[in-house]
Amino acid sequence: RKEVEQDPGPFNVPEGATVAFNCTYSNSASQSFFWYRQDCRKEPKLLMSVYSSGNEDGRFTAQLNRASQYISLLIRDSKLSDSATYLCVVLNQAGTALIFGKGTTLSVSS
Amino acid sequence: DAGITQSPRHKVTETGTPVTLRCHQTENHRYMYWYRQDPGHGLRLIHYSYGVKDTDKGEVSDGYSVSRSKTEDFLLTLESATSSQTSVYFCAISESGAVAADEQFFGPGTRLTVL
Repeated sequence: RKEVEQDPGPFNVPEGATVAFNCTYSNSASQSFFWYRQDCRKEPKLLMSVYSSGNEDGRFTAQLNRASQYISLLIRDSKLSDSATYLCVVLNQAGTALIFGKGTTLSVSS
Repeated sequence: DAGITQSPRHKVTETGTPVTLRCHQTENHRYMYWYRQDPGHGLRLIHYSYGVKDTDKGEVSDGYSVSRSKTEDFLLTLESATSSQTSVYFCAISESGAVAADEQFFGPGTRLTVL
């Protein structure tokens, strides 16, 4: 089982839609989790950290389920500008490096 | 945006030639990282540095070496480039290291093609 797995998509949704991405991780001892966003041919940028209690930032909500070892990202009221690849990221067991998923591609159309 | 630059931004080279990529930061962050990104693999860590002259291997370090003689510069060297090293290379920086759950700031990337 790969350390961090994501559905690659693409997810094609209309503007205003709600879309959810899931990510699973293999190491039950992982302590830190993140979602990064990467636009086409650009560098990744931190979207949000994921906390055990769940956290929300505007239209974005991240959830962590430790028992099932998955992380989710919910985007409400999708905008054209949300079109990007979303990377699920987990801290490795040694605490020395981030492990990136392959990413889930979202395309929002008008 | 964090002050990170990478040079060159694009490079085409031939198999067997040495290649050095440079990452330069103006943030005075302690940690610096080199990743490669390939279709179907996502970002993979090559090497990282936790201070001047302090470096360690990542997941895919074979065929690569690094050096950090100044806080602001982190060099990635391919001693003898191979076609399997064709990739997009990203440098990243962070203040306190991955274990501190610090945000990593990425440079714009270098597209390397090895013919």
